Amino acid sequence: NAGVTQTPKFRVLKTGQSMTLLCAQDMNHEYMYWYRQDPGMGLRLIHYSVGEGTTAKGEVPDGYNVSRLKKQNFLLGLESAAPSQTSVYFCASSYPRAGGTEAFFGQGTRLTVV
Amino acid sequence: AQTVTQSQPEMSVQEAETVTLSCTYDTSESDYYLFWYKQPPSRQMILVIRQEAYKQQNATENRFSVNFQKAAKSFSLKISDSQLGDAAMYFCAYRSGNAGGTSYGKLTFGQGTILTVHP
Repeated sequence: NAGVTQTPKFRVLKTGQSMTLLCAQDMNHEYMYWYRQDPGMGLRLIHYSVGEGTTAKGEVPDGYNVSRLKKQNFLLGLESAAPSQTSVYFCASSYPRAGGTEAFFGQGTRLTVV
Repeated sequence: AQTVTQSQPEMSVQEAETVTLSCTYDTSESDYYLFWYKQPPSRQMILVIRQEAYKQQNATENRFSVNFQKAAKSFSLKISDSQLGDAAMYFCAYRSGNAGGTSYGKLTFGQGTILTVHP
């Protein structure tokens, strides 16, 4: 059981380039999330999805787009990368059963924009 | 919008002693869930403990317990008998539980507290 898998693990982009981060979960979870982690700022929510075909903005959505065409996948896109988007990105998923099931996280993607 | 605040950027504790990490949150919702996550240097996020807002009893998981003060919107984590393996970044998190609300399912984290354990 793989859980939550993020690809790629590392990436270096030049300013202005585009890329897509893929998150895949095999737990049949309804909810999926994308976060960025920067020193001293914790995990900030970029976008999230509460089901296939739905997405919602988080705290820091500017410069990012997402899609949830399939329940098991949640894609994060950077259309024109900027140095300010250098960060560690985490994907997470959860199933909101009664009792508040916790979120399961991927291993993170370290992105550097030069 | 819900916010989560961890006012202690860093904490330290001697091995075998007790330490408490603070977390406060702001919400107008009545139905929500609170979590503490641990992030060791490996970057993997690990659930430590969870608390449902409708439960008055404080959650406990072995050496980890919480002090949940709903009226004060406070959710602190107590680590007893601290071990070297407890050294990590700790995050407090809030998830909305109001079905149909605009923030339903949104999971918000605090800034984190780095815990150092001295032998």
